[in-house]
Amino acid sequence: QSVLTQPPSVSGAPGQRVTISCTGSSSNIGAGYDVHWYQQLPGTAPKLLIYGNSNRPSGVPDRFSGSKSGTSASLAITGLQAEDEAEYYCQSKDSSLTGSVFGGGTKLTVL
Amino acid sequence: EVQLVQSGAEVKKPGESLKISCKGSGYSFSNYWIGWVRQMPGKGLEWMGVIYPGDSDTRFSPSFQGQVTISADKSISTAYLQWSSLKASDTAMYYCARGNHYFDYWGQGTLVTVSS
Repeated sequence: QSVLTQPPSVSGAPGQRVTISCTGSSSNIGAGYDVHWYQQLPGTAPKLLIYGNSNRPSGVPDRFSGSKSGTSASLAITGLQAEDEAEYYCQSKDSSLTGSVFGGGTKLTVL
Repeated sequence: EVQLVQSGAEVKKPGESLKISCKGSGYSFSNYWIGWVRQMPGKGLEWMGVIYPGDSDTRFSPSFQGQVTISADKSISTAYLQWSSLKASDTAMYYCARGNHYFDYWGQGTLVTVSS
């Protein structure tokens, strides 16, 4: 059980907007540590999607956006496309650990 | 172009030792942390630890401290993940990735299978 909690699955129709939550605590997200998001397409290595809560690396479409508030963070995907079907993970540092931790992952299904 | 290229898949028996590698190119290898991430079959990502090749400073997740060794040879831009005695539960895909707070470039993964 990860210290960062994500819903196991979310779904949406093409063109819709979906959000994926990442709930932490006062020892990680609530302590002010940044949240980062990764997309893992089936059978491939993860890819950085959002860093520093809301920043997109070069090449990531602006359909993807991140936000953080209190002890939680969210990834929003607008204009859902079939190619967005993947597993999504949040990551943050935790003050009780010497390093970082990933959320349990959320499987996005495009209906 | 930044690239991390990992060594190939391994099949080992319980109790055997193993060292897998991750070679960086396209950037100053010594100046960026390299991390290792485990993904067990059908499961999520687990942060194992990181190393700074410039001075070999290493940080571990408590879950992996003492279970694996992370090292780096900056002269050949290569990081390593090592086991002295593998267990069946070490069967997983292992990724290396560049960074400390977040990972911006990832290797293709090395599948380690431990079976008698």
